[in-house]
Amino acid sequence: DAGVIQSPRHEVTEMGQEVTLRCKPISGHNSLFWYRQTMMRGLELLIYFNNNVPIDDSGMPEDRFSAKMPNASFSTLKIQPSEPRDSAVYFCASSLELARDTQYFGPGTRLTVL
Amino acid sequence: AQTVTQSQPEMSVQEAETVTLSCTYDTSESDYYLFWYKQPPSRQMILVIRQEAYKQQNATENRFSVNFQKAAKSFSLKISDSQLGDAAMYFCAYRSSYGGATNKLIFGTGTLLAVQP
Repeated sequence: DAGVIQSPRHEVTEMGQEVTLRCKPISGHNSLFWYRQTMMRGLELLIYFNNNVPIDDSGMPEDRFSAKMPNASFSTLKIQPSEPRDSAVYFCASSLELARDTQYFGPGTRLTVL
Repeated sequence: AQTVTQSQPEMSVQEAETVTLSCTYDTSESDYYLFWYKQPPSRQMILVIRQEAYKQQNATENRFSVNFQKAAKSFSLKISDSQLGDAAMYFCAYRSSYGGATNKLIFGTGTLLAVQP
């Protein structure tokens, strides 16, 4: 079975540009999570969805960040406008159910904002 | 709020030897899950092992096993017969079982494991 798929794997952009990260969860999984990993802050949850509905976005750093899940097999994380401090690895993870289940991670997207 | 602490930033082990990575956590909850994830240079976060707090028996997965001490809030990972492919950053993580806003994984800062041939 395919795991969590993320694209692109690497993204280099200039400050002020819009960035869109994409995620396809494991088929049949009902919950989807977006994490960010930086040297300074480690791994932190940005937002998660259950049955395509955003449940908790308290980890989204500011209004420049937005996330959508239009259907069960696709989610996007958008940063507009991007800033150098947004440079990080962004992970998407999915789980079968919201509570009581293991989260499986995608390969991550390494974002560099110049 | 729950916290996870990994006090060993780096560890080293000889190939075929055994190594133990430490993890402690703080919580007031009685039901939760603990995980060890491995992150090799490829950056992929790979689940190594999972432990449910209500289970007294320590989880094992092939060469990987845990020592779960609930009263002490300790959750160490033992890697037996270490292989070169075990070299990676290892993260300990906590997750509440109560759902709602507590569904996020809370990660420790990681332990970088080097395996010497």
